[in-house]
Amino acid sequence: AQSVTQLGSHVSVSEGALVLLRCNYSSSVPPYLFWYVQYPNQGLQLLLKYTTGATLVKGINGFEAEFKKSETSFHLTKPSAHMSDAAEYFCAVTLGTGGFKTIFGAGTRLFVKA
Amino acid sequence: NAGVTQTPKFQVLKTGQSMTLQCAQDMNHEYMSWYRQDPGMGLRLIHYSVGAGITDQGEVPNGYNVSRSTTEDFPLRLLSAAPSQTSVYFCASRTTGTVSFETQYFGPGTRLLVL
Repeated sequence: AQSVTQLGSHVSVSEGALVLLRCNYSSSVPPYLFWYVQYPNQGLQLLLKYTTGATLVKGINGFEAEFKKSETSFHLTKPSAHMSDAAEYFCAVTLGTGGFKTIFGAGTRLFVKA
Repeated sequence: NAGVTQTPKFQVLKTGQSMTLQCAQDMNHEYMSWYRQDPGMGLRLIHYSVGAGITDQGEVPNGYNVSRSTTEDFPLRLLSAAPSQTSVYFCASRTTGTVSFETQYFGPGTRLLVL
């Protein structure tokens, strides 16, 4: 069965510092991987996704993630945090062809200190 | 283009009451889904639909009912509300059911409190 583990329910960084949010998955078949962001009192919106091909994926707002099959990881990074990045971030996985169900991680809330 | 809309935004129910959470999308998406979001648990799939007349269960379907009579609408029914159903509910849609790497588009959510 597929699952997603996000390490750290809360991460706090200073403005301008590196953002690193960790995600590990388990899947018996090649997965499709997603990062979504949720701002307070809003729905989720897609940051980036990995399907096939290049393992380094660039998303919106300067975020990127690298798919590492050997480590079953899909960590999200941003070189320099902005105050506006404060939100909750969700990693998610969907199985390949015919995968009707997306499994979400528990989420990581990012705090950005001035 | 309104995207995915949900009504109501907030609802308070008493235990045992029933209600319907509405979800509509205007993007002609075949695939629609309902999630509930609880603190520390992320989003969990309740039910999904890959087209009009076709629905299936997700991870946590008990106590919920769905139907899909049109492409646009996918209502979620709580048959007899329980305090354990206090949660934030999100509806989402994507283009097709068979291409699972497509982006899901989420509604703004319905916050439900069951007393």
